[in-house]
Amino acid sequence: DTGVSQDPRHKITKRGQNVTFRCDPISEHNRLYWYRQTLGQGPEFLTYFQNEAQLEKSRLLSDRFSAERPKGSFSTLEIQRTEQGDSAMYLCASSDQGGTSESTDTQYFGPGTRLTVL
Amino acid sequence: AQKITQTQPGMFVQEKEAVTLDCTYDTSDPSYGLFWYKQPSSGEMIFLIYQGSYDQQNATEGRYSLNFQKARKSANLVISASQLGDSAMYFCAMREGDQAGTALIFGKGTTLSVSS
Repeated sequence: DTGVSQDPRHKITKRGQNVTFRCDPISEHNRLYWYRQTLGQGPEFLTYFQNEAQLEKSRLLSDRFSAERPKGSFSTLEIQRTEQGDSAMYLCASSDQGGTSESTDTQYFGPGTRLTVL
Repeated sequence: AQKITQTQPGMFVQEKEAVTLDCTYDTSDPSYGLFWYKQPSSGEMIFLIYQGSYDQQNATEGRYSLNFQKARKSANLVISASQLGDSAMYFCAMREGDQAGTALIFGKGTTLSVSS
């Protein structure tokens, strides 16, 4: 059972460019989450999918951010017109409805994508 | 007010010693879950241990145990017999309510350094 994977691991871009990140959850996990982590802070929630439906969005998810999970498997997070303040680690997590983690709904995280906006 | 407070920015411990990482939480929801994650320098958040608000006993997972004091709203992580590989950032997190799919709220973390 492979873990959550994210691509790319690192991304350097210039201010104003668009970037897209991909997350592949643990197979058969139907819940997928995106978080953002800035230096010296804990992760902050961005958005949540159950299957292909985006059920919750944080106020941190400005209109420059969009996330999709078209077939209920992998997800993409796009940032348009990047700003220097978008520089952060973007973490993806997944959890399982049913199975041994049902009672805890434990979220398992990927390695993250570190974004640097110059 | 912060929902999760980790008051120790850094902790230092020698190999084979035990260490306690502090976490206090704030919620008015009677049902909640508490999690500890480890984040090495590589960046990946690794799940360590979970405690539910209705659990009668403290959670244990190998060398990790959770000292859950509900009345004090604290959920301290105890690592026994520290190893060099335990050096990392440790985050306490909470899920409020009993609905699956709820976002985790994280503290600011504690950096643990284990020396030989």
